[in-house]
Amino acid sequence: AQSVAQPEDQVNVAEGNPLTVKCTYSVSGNPYLFWYVQYPNRGLQFLLKYITGDNLVKGSYGFEAEFNKSQTSFHLKKPSALVSDSALYFCAVRDEDFNKFYFGSGTKLNVKP
Amino acid sequence: DSGVTQTPKHLITATGQRVTLRCSPRSGDLSVYWYQQSLDQGLQFLIHYYNGEERAKGNILERFSAQQFPDLHSELNLSSLELGDSALYFCASSPHPVPQETQYFGPGTRLLVL
Repeated sequence: AQSVAQPEDQVNVAEGNPLTVKCTYSVSGNPYLFWYVQYPNRGLQFLLKYITGDNLVKGSYGFEAEFNKSQTSFHLKKPSALVSDSALYFCAVRDEDFNKFYFGSGTKLNVKP
Repeated sequence: DSGVTQTPKHLITATGQRVTLRCSPRSGDLSVYWYQQSLDQGLQFLIHYYNGEERAKGNILERFSAQQFPDLHSELNLSSLELGDSALYFCASSPHPVPQETQYFGPGTRLLVL
């Protein structure tokens, strides 16, 4: 069965510190992995994706994500957090065989000044 | 602004009623996806249409149905509404028949069932 897990409901980090939002996945076949951000009262916005290639993927707003096949993880990272990064972050996986997206439960990121 | 529009923005109705949510994809996008976001279930994929044809189904209840019209807009019909159907309903669009590329999300329709 295809699934995505975000083990943390909430992540708190101080502005200027590095941040990590965790995601693990389980799919059959090659994974297609995505990160989205949702600001209050807004739809999801695409941040970055991993299809093939380098394990470190760079995306929008200074975010990057590291694909780790052995650990089946795709953690979202940013070297220096901003207060404006505070939002809800979703990891998603698309299984190439089943043509569907599966989203994680979301992680609320709080960046404090 | 993603270019995806959804109407209405807010909808309040009673249990047992039927509602229709509308989505207009970005210009040129042939795929439309519907999602339900609720507090207890998170973000759930409901259904995907491509160029008028159903491509994939997710956790969509039998009380719910969708269609995509020749002008590519899509409607999600929710019937026999229950309190638990209260949620934020998103549609997303993309140019491709499979969700390989970025999906562009609309602002959502907030449904409240009383």
